[in-house]
Amino acid sequence: VQLHQSGPGLVRPSQTLSLTCAISGDSVSSDTGAWNWIRQSPSRGLEWLGRAFYRSNWSFDYAESMKSRMTIIPDTAKNQFSLHLNSVTPDDTAVYYCATHYMDVWGEGTTVTVSS
Amino acid sequence: THLTQSPSSVSASVGDRVTITCRASQDIRSRLAWFHQRPGKAPRLLMYEVSILQSGVPSRFSGSRSGAEFTLTVSGLQPEDFGIYFCQQTFTPFPFGPGTKVDV
Repeated sequence: VQLHQSGPGLVRPSQTLSLTCAISGDSVSSDTGAWNWIRQSPSRGLEWLGRAFYRSNWSFDYAESMKSRMTIIPDTAKNQFSLHLNSVTPDDTAVYYCATHYMDVWGEGTTVTVSS
Repeated sequence: THLTQSPSSVSASVGDRVTITCRASQDIRSRLAWFHQRPGKAPRLLMYEVSILQSGVPSRFSGSRSGAEFTLTVSGLQPEDFGIYFCQQTFTPFPFGPGTKVDV
């Protein structure tokens, strides 16, 4: 399994941060998989943000601090999943990673800066 | 659950034995993983369920548990082992420890 991330490295404050993680070697709709977003910053360390998984229907778990402004969207046609984080502030500046179910495979990371 | 790690940093040499401790604020049973991260790279899973080595991880890495205290031991440190080690609870909300830096 490999994960490849894409998305902008600069987001303006109050805008929406959107990143995509393309999957190869597995299916986003696998009924044994789960797809995570994690971020890392000097101030917060490693922080799990949320995950999506398919078990007859799609289910989503989000970190409590992210529930109000984060959405994960799976795309079965493109075999990928995306992160959308709205109303960003400079505190959301971090390296964002996607990772598999057991976090045994990670994307390469995307450095996202929130700045005007 | 809040995870703490000690020490926060350790200086070591190739061939040394290094031990890192992770303490959970509540009982997480054996639901703990360890990761290693080198500068500019994503974390790499070393082991899960306290002591089960991920495929490809050398046997010089070992893990143990005593209650809510977990230990990672590297027996015979190699140059590629330097970096930061993190522990993580392996169920939601998947908190990570703050990390232990192992350097020369």
